[in-house]
This record gives sequence, C-alpha cells and structure tokens, in this order.
Amino acid sequence: QVQLQESGPGLVKPSETLSLTCTVSGGSLSSSYWSWIRQPPGKGLEWIGYIYYSGSTTYNPSLKSRVTISIDTSKNQFSLKLSSVTAADTAVYYCARGGSGSYYSVPGSWFDPWGQGTLVTVSS
Amino acid sequence: DIQMTQSPSSVSASIGDRVTITCRASQGIGNLLAWYQQKPGKAPKLLIFAASSLQSGVPSRFSGSGSGTGFTLTISSLQPEDFATYYCQQADSLPRTFGGGTKVEMK
Repeated sequence: QVQLQESGPGLVKPSETLSLTCTVSGGSLSSSYWSWIRQPPGKGLEWIGYIYYSGSTTYNPSLKSRVTISIDTSKNQFSLKLSSVTAADTAVYYCARGGSGSYYSVPGSWFDPWGQGTLVTVSS
Repeated sequence: DIQMTQSPSSVSASIGDRVTITCRASQGIGNLLAWYQQKPGKAPKLLIFAASSLQSGVPSRFSGSGSGTGFTLTISSLQPEDFATYYCQQADSLPRTFGGGTKVEMK
C-alpha cells in the first residue's frame, strides 16, 4: 500500500526557509493530490496546501505568500518550502495523499494515508 | 474560511460506553465531512468520509451522521484502543479546515 515519509531539517533559524520532502512508496504520484498539513505542539491541524501530480497547486491563504509546494514525479517525491519562518511555524509537519477530487472515494478530498510526521523547531 | 467547532473538547468514558462527538460547521457543507483519529505521537488516521462512509479497515463500532452544519461521530462500544483525539475536517471549500479536536479519556 502507499506509504509516505517526510524528511528534512528538524531545526530552522528564524527568518530562514523551512524545506521538507515527502517520499512516496508503494505507488505513484499520478492522478492524486498531495497535501502538507501541520500541527503545532499540543494544538490542532492546519492544512498548508496541495499539489496535483500535474504540478498545479493550491495554498491556504493564511500562508500563501510564504509557501511553495513542488513535485518531482521521477523521484516520487513532493516538497514544501516555507519562507521567513518564525517561532509560530514550529510544528509537526505531515504529508498526506488527498485534499481534492472525488468526495465519495478515498483519497479524493480526504487525507489518507499520512506520513508519520516530522517536528520542525524554529529557533536560533 | 469555514470554521469547524467540536464539542466537547474532552470526554471521560469507560470501556463499553457509547461515545458521541459533535462537529458543527459555520456554514452548510452538505455531507462533505471527514473524521480522523489521532493517538499520541502518531499521524491522524481517516475513519469516516462523506459524513457517514466508513473507511476500509475501520471497525464498525465507529459511525458518522449528519449533514449541513451538524455532524456526529459515534463509538458504539468504546474499546481500549479508542482512547485518542478525534478531529473533523470539511471538504466543501478551500482552505480545508479541521475542528479543534475532542480527546476521549479513560474515566
């Protein structure tokens, strides 16, 4: 079955750019949407944005000016860049399949599966 | 943005209890709602999509209902592995938004 794994630095300095990669195994990126979602410690979930396998993207307006999501189908990976980070961006970052598409099948507009998550701390 | 409000924020229950969690949307979303279960240190897991469709592999003691602005997740007979935090998510419009979570704790 499809599995996702996040990778990237666990510590980023304020004002710098957070960069994470999600590697997909057990399936291809084709014909699906791929999302990034984050969760500050002890808090709820925030959808960051998604990318379609074709490369088209949609971002959460609250983060749009700082977010870039890209895809590399040859490596079966998609990536997140978040610029000008502050302590408020400290969170566990998850990649997940889904976010748009069919409402009556999975993944479609639902998130499944998810990666295990990676904690990114913003601190000098 | 559509605001998703869950209640209660936490519930104490015993094994075998029936547990009901409510999610309310700030505007009508039809049946475009999912429920996720999250255990400490783990990623959320999809339980229910399209308000009432059970995701493959999820035990039948989990059920979802509702439409428009009001939704419920019911666990018919709480099992030890069900102690976790539950989140709702709307898929009616962008940005996708989640409820604040409901923690199911042992009484």
